Amino acid sequence: GQNIDQPTEMTATEGAIVQINCTYQTSGFNGLFWYQQHAGEAPTFLSYNVLDGLEEKGRFSSFLSRSKGYSYLLLKELQMKDSASYLCAVSGLNTGFQKLVFGTGTRLLVSP
Amino acid sequence: ETGVTQTPRHLVMGMTNKKSLKCEQHLGHNAMYWYKQSAKKPLELMFVYNFKEQTENNSVPSRFSPECPNSSHLFLHLHTLQPEDSALYLCASSPQREEYEQYFGPGTRLTVT
Repeated sequence: GQNIDQPTEMTATEGAIVQINCTYQTSGFNGLFWYQQHAGEAPTFLSYNVLDGLEEKGRFSSFLSRSKGYSYLLLKELQMKDSASYLCAVSGLNTGFQKLVFGTGTRLLVSP
Repeated sequence: ETGVTQTPRHLVMGMTNKKSLKCEQHLGHNAMYWYKQSAKKPLELMFVYNFKEQTENNSVPSRFSPECPNSSHLFLHLHTLQPEDSALYLCASSPQREEYEQYFGPGTRLTVT
């Protein structure tokens, strides 16, 4: 089976940097996604990691270590609009790339 | 605007009612998905369709019946639901390639009374 763990809630200050961790156990790993979901809205894609290392995209970066079953999402220069839930999702090699397993999400609160 | 629309946005139904959720994608994708999102629980995959054919049923009770008449439309027919089925139901679509993300619709907030 697959299991995804991420912190339930985090708080940070506007302008700061925050790192949201995600650990996973899968029977075969295919890729890892990060999504952002504002309250009452659809999840939107942030990043996709399939190889080890850091993927940078503007203020957001995502890191993957397949050997450790670990990923993090790094958000720099935090803005109030970054207050949202951040969902980590994994696709397993044995279950196919379309069957994403999601964590419960990390609710990030950015304060002034 | 996500390119994936869902109707209705909110639905309240009794346990004996029959209702349908509709999803439409304008992105030219060949794969469509239904997810269930309950409070404090992970987003949970329900069904996957590829080129109108169902390729995944994630052990979903038969009171949920999906229908995919073409690659752009997806329905979820509901009947004799239980209060624990109250949740946000999200539709998504994607190209049928593993390196591409899934695009989600805004969801239907379902309340079963």
